[in-house]
Amino acid sequence: GQNIDQPTEMTATEGAIVQINCTYQTSGFNGLFWYQQHAGEAPTFLSYNVLDGLEEKGRFSSFLSRSKGYSYLLLKELQMKDSASYLCAVRRGYSGAGSYQLTFGKGTKLSVIP
Amino acid sequence: GAGVSQTPSNKVTEKGKYVELRCDPISGHTALYWYRQSLGQGPEFLIYFQGTGAADDSGLPNDRFFAVRPEGSVSTLKIQRTERGDSAVYLCASSLTGTPSQETQYFGPGTRLLVL
Repeated sequence: GQNIDQPTEMTATEGAIVQINCTYQTSGFNGLFWYQQHAGEAPTFLSYNVLDGLEEKGRFSSFLSRSKGYSYLLLKELQMKDSASYLCAVRRGYSGAGSYQLTFGKGTKLSVIP
Repeated sequence: GAGVSQTPSNKVTEKGKYVELRCDPISGHTALYWYRQSLGQGPEFLIYFQGTGAADDSGLPNDRFFAVRPEGSVSTLKIQRTERGDSAVYLCASSLTGTPSQETQYFGPGTRLLVL
């Protein structure tokens, strides 16, 4: 089966840095996505990694190690509005069902406190 | 349109009733996806459309669920004889060209379905 693990909840302080980890064991790999989801709203695309290394986009960075089946999302200079769930999702293949079905983790609920 | 839109935003129905959920993808996007998100879970894939055809409906839980996209744009997810276990947020997503192995999926706000 497909297994994607993330911590259920995290709490961090405004202005700080937080790292949200995601580990995956899937039959195939063709990219890992991070989405942000505020309560009652659509998941919003944050980042995409398909090669090993760090992708930086403003306050958000995402890292991937394919050999370890591991990714993290790094949020810097935390703001109150960053309080949301963060979803890790894997695209498993290059063709067929694995190429378009995203397999999601359960999400990490981040609470930013003053 | 600016993004994926879904209607209604909330739907409350009684067990055994029929419901239709609508998705309007980003203009020009040929690929459309339906996911279901239960409380405390990540979205789970239901069905994928490439144009008008359902390229993969393997995620539909049973034959009470059906989806159409007759003109290759708007899609409707139909649930017959609803059950309490169908209560969830139904998310729609779209992507540009239908080369999904290279594309990002953009999600709508979802329809929150509650079956009493």
